[in-house]
Amino acid sequence: DGGITQSPKYLFRKEGQNVTLSCEQNLNHDAMYWYRQDPGQGLRLIYYSQIVNDFQKGDIAEGYSVSREKKESFPLTVTSAQKNPTAFYLCASSEWRASTDTQYFGPGTRLTVL
Amino acid sequence: GDSVTQMEGPVTLSEEAFLTINCTYTATGYPSLFWYVQYPGEGLQLLLKATKADDKGSNKGFEATYRKETTSFHLEKGSVQVSDSAVYFCALSDGNNDMRFGAGTRLTVKP
Repeated sequence: DGGITQSPKYLFRKEGQNVTLSCEQNLNHDAMYWYRQDPGQGLRLIYYSQIVNDFQKGDIAEGYSVSREKKESFPLTVTSAQKNPTAFYLCASSEWRASTDTQYFGPGTRLTVL
Repeated sequence: GDSVTQMEGPVTLSEEAFLTINCTYTATGYPSLFWYVQYPGEGLQLLLKATKADDKGSNKGFEATYRKETTSFHLEKGSVQVSDSAVYFCALSDGNNDMRFGAGTRLTVKP
């Protein structure tokens, strides 16, 4: 089955630690995205990538970093510089980055800072 | 910039009731419009979409029509079921091809 997987489902972090969230897709999509979701709010874009070895900042990139070394993988690192990292993180992909393209989402990772 | 405003929730309905969730948008160009659904603890799933004015998206009994004159994309269903309980997000793809999401509307359907 084609889809997007994220791991882990739940992640706990101590203040001052960096953590990396995994995102893998086997849809052969070129574009991948990371969003942050806070309670009662819509999704906000952190980073996106249209092609391997290239990525762009979204609206709330500060305190986050990404890499895109392989087409199918787009890991997100939440650094200690992110002041309020507790949130639900969603990875998505689309065939390309066109206005008509549907974005397909993974199941999410819930990050809690202790 | 481009944005989406959707009806505040939560919305609580009895089974078989009619559902409307309002969504209006602001955009400088001609965005594509989407409705996504999120079940508890899960990611978002595409429910339906429309890519140009007057298009109607439909899926699983849900419908929405892209109304350019009123800048709206309201979600409707004639008869809701308990299994429709979820959070519904209206979204648009803006001129930079970024997806802009509304805040979400939580729907609870009671038997």
